[in-house]
This record gives sequence, structure tokens and C-alpha cells, in this order.
Amino acid sequence: DGGITQSPKYLFRKEGQNVTLSCEQNLNHDAMYWYRQDPGQGLRLIYYSQIVNDFQKGDIAEGYSVSREKKESFPLTVTSAQKNPTAFYLCASNRGPGQEKVFGQGTRLTVV
Amino acid sequence: QKEVEQDPGPLSVPEGAIVSLNCTYSNSAFQYFMWYRQYSRKGPELLMYTYSSGNKEDGRFTAQVDKSSKYISLFIRDSQPSDSATYLCAMNRGSTLGRLYFGRGTQLTVWP
Repeated sequence: DGGITQSPKYLFRKEGQNVTLSCEQNLNHDAMYWYRQDPGQGLRLIYYSQIVNDFQKGDIAEGYSVSREKKESFPLTVTSAQKNPTAFYLCASNRGPGQEKVFGQGTRLTVV
Repeated sequence: QKEVEQDPGPLSVPEGAIVSLNCTYSNSAFQYFMWYRQYSRKGPELLMYTYSSGNKEDGRFTAQVDKSSKYISLFIRDSQPSDSATYLCAMNRGSTLGRLYFGRGTQLTVWP
């Protein structure tokens, strides 16, 4: 079955450490997105990419970086510059003309 | 003012009740309207998708869009404990940017 695979499901980061969250899709979708979700809040856009080798900042890009070397892959790096990284991270791709999204199952990142 | 407003609840109803979930928005350019269901620690899944104004029904779920009032609703008939989740509204201008604007989500519990 086609879908979006995020790994790992749970991730622990030490202070000052960079970590990378994986997002892979086999849906042949062009556009991919990273969102951050905090308790009681909606989804906030971190980065998005509409085509390979191109990506744009979203609303809260500071402290994050991405790459898009392959259509199937859109990894997110949470750098040490992100001061409050503990959150639920969701990767998504565009499913149709209304830009409705298909989401992965998320990665829960916790700073220890 | 946020683009999309959604009461976070929580909302607690008995099994079999009719549930009404709502969102208001400020941008009259929005054309595509969606409802996502998100179970705890999972990614959101698309539940309903509507273009422009009107109603759409899918089983026990009905989505309504009133563009003149900038108001959208999701009705759940004969609610079940399995409907217990967070419901997120989302909307889009329909541009190629693919930018979705999300509400904060309403947490629903259906008790047996």
C-alpha cells in the first residue's frame, strides 16, 4: 500500500545535539511538507518542497533544516539552534487539487 | 486574528449522540475545506473534503460549508466510542502553493 513512512516513531535528543527525522513516500507525490504539532495547538508549517532540489521556509523554520535530493524523501533536521524542539512532527504530501494532505504517523521528539 | 478559529473543547458526549464540530475563518478566498480525524499519537487522516459551499454526506458524517458566514461544520450522527479523537478543520485557497490553514483541533470523547 502507498503511503508516508516516518521514522523513528520516538526520538530523544540531548541538549546541543542535532537529530534527523526521516520521511519517505511511495505515492509519487511532488509536494511534501513538515509540520510541528504541540498539545492543544494546530499544525504549524516548518518547511515544504514542491519539487526535488527545491524547498521553502514555512512559518517556524528557525532551528530546522531540510533537503530534497529525491522525490521520495524529505528528511528534517532539528538543530541545536531550535530551543524548544519537544513536539510531535508530521510529514505530509499533497494528495489532490484541493491540496488535501496525506500524513505520516508522526515522530515524537523529546529533549532529555 | 487567526485565519482559522476552532474551539478546542474538550467535548464529551454519550454514545448515539449527534455531534456538531465547527470552525470559522476570516479569509474569503478559501475554497477547499477539509476535516481531519487524528487519533492519539497518530497522524491525521482525511475524513471529509468539500469544495466551495454546500453539504457533503458520507455515512454518519456530514460536512457543511457556509461561505457567506465563513463557517464550516462537521456533524457526526449516531456517534460511537471509536469516534473519540481530535478533529481538525483545514482550508485552502486552491492555489498551487498547497498551503493549508489548520484549526487547533477539537478533542471529542464519546462514552459508552
